[in-house]
Amino acid sequence: QVQLVQSGAEVRKPGASVKVSCKASGYTFTGHYMHWVRQAPGQGLEWMGWINLYAGGTSLAQKFQGRATLTRDTSMRTAYMELTGLRSDDTAIYYCARDHGNSWPLYFDYWGQGALITVSS
Amino acid sequence: DIQMTQSPFTLAASVGDRVTITCRASQSIGNSLAWYQQKPGKAPKLLIYSASTLESGVPSRFSGSGSGAEFTLTISSLQPDDLATYHCQQYSGYSPTFGQGTKLEIK
Repeated sequence: QVQLVQSGAEVRKPGASVKVSCKASGYTFTGHYMHWVRQAPGQGLEWMGWINLYAGGTSLAQKFQGRATLTRDTSMRTAYMELTGLRSDDTAIYYCARDHGNSWPLYFDYWGQGALITVSS
Repeated sequence: DIQMTQSPFTLAASVGDRVTITCRASQSIGNSLAWYQQKPGKAPKLLIYSASTLESGVPSRFSGSGSGAEFTLTISSLQPDDLATYHCQQYSGYSPTFGQGTKLEIK
């Protein structure tokens, strides 16, 4: 069965960086895009970007360009999201989510359990 | 980016009620719309894609309709297990976007 297992909760100070991992199992890793979505406390879902796990190409929402980096390690079947220059309003649960397809961003058929990132001095 | 607007923000209904949630897009998106259910403390779960196609394993009391810029999610007979926040998401543009969510409460 498809599973996405994310790394655990982290606490960072303002200005620091964080890297969240997402280990996939139960399907062909490179056969689907992977997205990153975040949810601030009590707020809605915010799409951050996607990575083509086969070719490595990425696309980021404009507000995250220059601050977020999406990478993958195909041998480890793991996707990563790194966010730099953390601010208090980056406090959120960060989800990885598998795209249904691999040629155009579609909808998300499997989600990780989420990783709570807290930014506080 | 395409903006998605859901209504209402919150909704209280009784078990057995028919419930409808609306999602409007800032421009036509064809049928490129998905609905997700998010229970408290959990990750979202895909319910419907292509505006009206039920994901495998989702109860048949859930249905979706609409095309262009206006869409609805309907629960035909509300069950206690349906307590959740519901999100719409468009995938017509290069950048997916979500509505702000509708919190469904059971009276």
